[in-house]
Order: sequence, then C-alpha cells, then structure tokens
Amino acid sequence: DIQMTQSPSSLSASVGDRVSITCQASQDISNSLNWYQQKPGKAPNLLIYDASTLETGVPSRFSGSGSGTDFTFTISSLQPEDIATYYCQQSGNLLFTFGPGTKVDIK
Amino acid sequence: EVQLVQSGAEVKKPGESLKISCEGSGYSFSSYWIGWVRQVPGKGLEWMGIIYPGDSDTRYSPSFQGQVSISDDKSISTAYLQWSSLKASDTAMYYCARISMRDAFDIWGQGTMVTVSS
Repeated sequence: DIQMTQSPSSLSASVGDRVSITCQASQDISNSLNWYQQKPGKAPNLLIYDASTLETGVPSRFSGSGSGTDFTFTISSLQPEDIATYYCQQSGNLLFTFGPGTKVDIK
Repeated sequence: EVQLVQSGAEVKKPGESLKISCEGSGYSFSSYWIGWVRQVPGKGLEWMGIIYPGDSDTRYSPSFQGQVSISDDKSISTAYLQWSSLKASDTAMYYCARISMRDAFDIWGQGTMVTVSS
C-alpha cells in the first residue's frame, strides 16, 4: 500500500498570509496527487488534481506543485472562507489513499 | 446539474445488516467509477472501495476488504454500500463520490451518517 503523510497537522495564520502544506508519498506516484478542502459539517471538495491542475471554479489563490514523492499545496493569500481541513490523496492505478489532513485556521 | 444524492441517516444495533445508497443524476452514470469514503467523527477520510457501474468491476481498500460490500444497479443509476453485521466501530459518516477521468473524486454526495449502538 502507498502511505501518505502531511505536514503540518494544523496551522494558524493571518488573513492575507501565504500558507503551504506538504504531502509525501511512500513511493513514486508521478503526478497522481489530488487536493481536497473539507469545511466543518460538509462533504470534501476537489481543489486540485494531477498535482497542479486547478479544478474548474476553484479560486486561483490555490495552487499545487510537485511530482514523484513530494508535493506542496499553497494558498497564496489566506481568506476567512479558507478555514477548513485539507487532504492530499494519491490516485495511482485506481487504488486511493488519503493523507491524514491539515487543519487550517485564522490567527 | 451533476449530483450524487445519498440515502438518509441510519441508527442500527450491533449485528444488524444495512445497505445505503448513492443515486447519480445529470451525467452518464455507467461511464464513471463511484468511490466510497468513510469518515469517523472527528477523524480523517478513508478510502473504502470503488465500483464501475458499466460492468460492476469492484475494487476494495485492503482495510475494508471483507468488511463491506459494494454493488450497483445501473438501471436506476444507484450505487450501494452494504454491511452484513454492523459493529459499533462502523459508526461514521459515509460519502460516495464520482471519480473523474483524471482519477479524482470530483462530485461528492452529501454523506450518510451511520450510528451503530446497542
């Protein structure tokens, strides 16, 4: 099984700050990496697929990068509505694994 | 509008059986894999398995193999998640999601809360 780790597990930042989350896969997954946002009491929402492609309708302040085993998710300017937990997910060969999540809140 | 609508919340006793559903609309249901995801209250997302309604090909996470059963009825655009004997540890929110052509979960159901308690 491919294992996913994320860091940090939580972070607190000010409105307008640049925020980054890292995700690491236990083996090379090329660019088969997706990012989701989950707000409290809601279903997750796809933000980025193929490591760096923004899903339609997602604000451009969200971005993703990386390939192989190391990936980064960035919010360029944190907004109050970005308070949520963010999950990475590997998607190789129709076998999926989610990372443990990173909880983001406002300082 | 493309959407997945899940069946309502369930309260069951340990040992009981259960089948929850996920109905797709607004797209060709048979052409996309459907995935199931568990979320224990206060915890993260866990991938359980997937099914392709076109031919009912099914894949399970090793963690859930033998614990649940995934099925579908493409004639009514519905996927199912089933337990034969529930345990208290099955208490969780269960989400279905459509899997896009890029292998991302792009459309999610609203979730079904399953509570197992004696």
